[in-house]
Order: sequence, then C-alpha cells, then structure tokens
Amino acid sequence: SQQGEEDPQALSIQEGENATMNCSYKTSINNLQWYRQNSGRGLVHLILIRSNEREKHSGRLRVTLDTSKKSSSLLITASRAADTASYFCATAPNTGNQFYFGTGTSLTVIP
Amino acid sequence: DGGITQSPKYLFRKEGQNVTLSCEQNLNHDAMYWYRQDPGQGLRLIYYSQIVNDFQKGDIAEGYSVSREKKESFPLTVTSAQKNPTAFYLCASSMFGGYNEKLFFGSGTQLSVL
Repeated sequence: SQQGEEDPQALSIQEGENATMNCSYKTSINNLQWYRQNSGRGLVHLILIRSNEREKHSGRLRVTLDTSKKSSSLLITASRAADTASYFCATAPNTGNQFYFGTGTSLTVIP
Repeated sequence: DGGITQSPKYLFRKEGQNVTLSCEQNLNHDAMYWYRQDPGQGLRLIYYSQIVNDFQKGDIAEGYSVSREKKESFPLTVTSAQKNPTAFYLCASSMFGGYNEKLFFGSGTQLSVL
C-alpha cells in the first residue's frame, strides 16, 4: 500500500497548547497536503507543501517536510476547542496522478 | 463543503441490491473522485474522472461502477459484487486533476448493509 502513516493515532491536549502530528510516506513525491475532517463530514484542505519546500506557514499552522526522511509534520499553535478534528496527510507521488492519504490523527482539544 | 453536494447522507443496502450514491458539483471543476473511508484506514480511491465520458479505476474499484455523462455529476453505484460495502463514501473534485491542486470534498454518504 502507498498509504502514509500518521503518528500519533490520537492526541489529546489542553486549549492553548500546541499540537504536533507527523506523517510518514513511502515514495518520492511532488507535494504533500494536509486536510482536516470534522466527525461525519468531508475533508477540508489546510495547506500544500511542495517537494522543494522545507517549511510553510498558514495562520496558526506550520508544516515541515523532510524528503530525505520521507516525513512531514503539522504543528497547530495555541490550539482551540474548535480545532478538535481528524487530520490527514495526502501525498502526490512522482509517478501516477492520484493522491494517497494517511491514516489520520484524531486531535481532541479540551477547553 | 465547497460546492459539492452528496446525497443521501445515509443509505442502507439489502443483500444483492445495487445502490447509487449521488455527487454533484457547481465549481466547474474538470476532475472528480470517489473515495472510501473505513475506520483507521484513511481514504482509498475507488474511481476518478478527469473529463466527461472518461474515468479510471483507483486502487479499490472492484464491486463499484461510475459514469460521467455531465461535467457536474459523478454518481457511484455500489453493486452486489461488493461484499463489504459498509463505509463512509466521499466525493471530491479538483479544477483540472493536476497533482498540485487541492481537493474539495462533499459531506459524505454513510452506507450500511441491512
């Protein structure tokens, strides 16, 4: 399977703390994207980082990419209860034209 | 959910029955996708289409069929050949189907077997 794996599977933090989740993948990629999913809903795109980028920011989100280790991390700073959701990474490999999604991290932010 | 409408929200299938999940988009996107989501497994691609009247199989196409007669619509039929259809089904679209594009998702259909 070309699916990525995310770590941890579940994360519970207090409001105001930072949340870090990691994604590892198996093949060379063109880019990596992060998505958010609220329970029972569709996914919402958060951020895209290209293979030649090492770090990207968007509001309270910071994404890093290490292509030598085939891994990425998503940091959410100053978390809020509304950040409670599942977070998925998705990779676009160099070959083929489909995306491969990770297994997701379930984040719970306690007010 | 970004202009993509999936219906119904919940669907029940009897053994041996075919059921069709609807997906409509008003984003004028060329590419549309169907994903299956099982607990703990992330999303897996069933079918995708980059242009009207053309579609390709994804990793788990067996037991499913699709059509793309209109740009706006990409219905998925779960046939009786799919022996384990219980899952959350997500439809998505992107502007041209390129790998540097983001996906827009519908709100999903939960399919269960009676």
